[in-house]
Amino acid sequence: SQKIEQNSEALNIQEGKTATLTCNYTNYSPAYLQWYRQDPGRGPVFLLLIRENEKEKRKERLKVTFDTTLKQSLFHITASQPADSATYLCALDSNYQLIWGAGTKLIIKP
Amino acid sequence: KAGVTQTPRYLIKTRGQQVTLSCSPISGHRSVSWYQQTPGQGLQFLFEYFSETQRNKGNFPGRFSGRQFSNSRSEMNVSTLELGDSALYLCASSPLERGAKVYEQYFGPGTRLTVT
Repeated sequence: SQKIEQNSEALNIQEGKTATLTCNYTNYSPAYLQWYRQDPGRGPVFLLLIRENEKEKRKERLKVTFDTTLKQSLFHITASQPADSATYLCALDSNYQLIWGAGTKLIIKP
Repeated sequence: KAGVTQTPRYLIKTRGQQVTLSCSPISGHRSVSWYQQTPGQGLQFLFEYFSETQRNKGNFPGRFSGRQFSNSRSEMNVSTLELGDSALYLCASSPLERGAKVYEQYFGPGTRLTVT
């Protein structure tokens, strides 16, 4: 069956360190993968999109990798700050719609 | 540009009633998608409209329906409400062009629906 999985447990990171979140999928062949941030009670906010032929994408302190052989994407936040605390969702395309992971809650401790 | 707006923000309904939610996309965006979000199920795709045509539909019963107007504004309707319909309903617009596959989505704040 098709699955997209993110760490269900919260990730606690010390301020200033690099946070790494994982998104694994099975039985999909996405052309691209996206990462979003969601704060409580709000809609998700688009962060980054990476295509299947791209290995890495960067935006300020954010970095995304996409390994289509491992069927995995890693999302990194360097020099993390308490304001980065949120739930991070990955989404991939399937038949012209987005399929979403359940999200990983990231907590950055001062 | 103004962001995606959704009305109302909060709604309390009784089982058996029906509800209509509204979404205004970002100006120029012709694609509008609707999602249901619950703590247990995460983001579940309801349907997507592009230029007034429904192009995709998720695995939801026929009680969930939607439409899009010529100005790209969209509405979704849920009839015969059930307790399990209590959720955050999110609308997202996209700068997707017809035939294009790659797109990011811009979400509204959502409508929190509570069914009692």
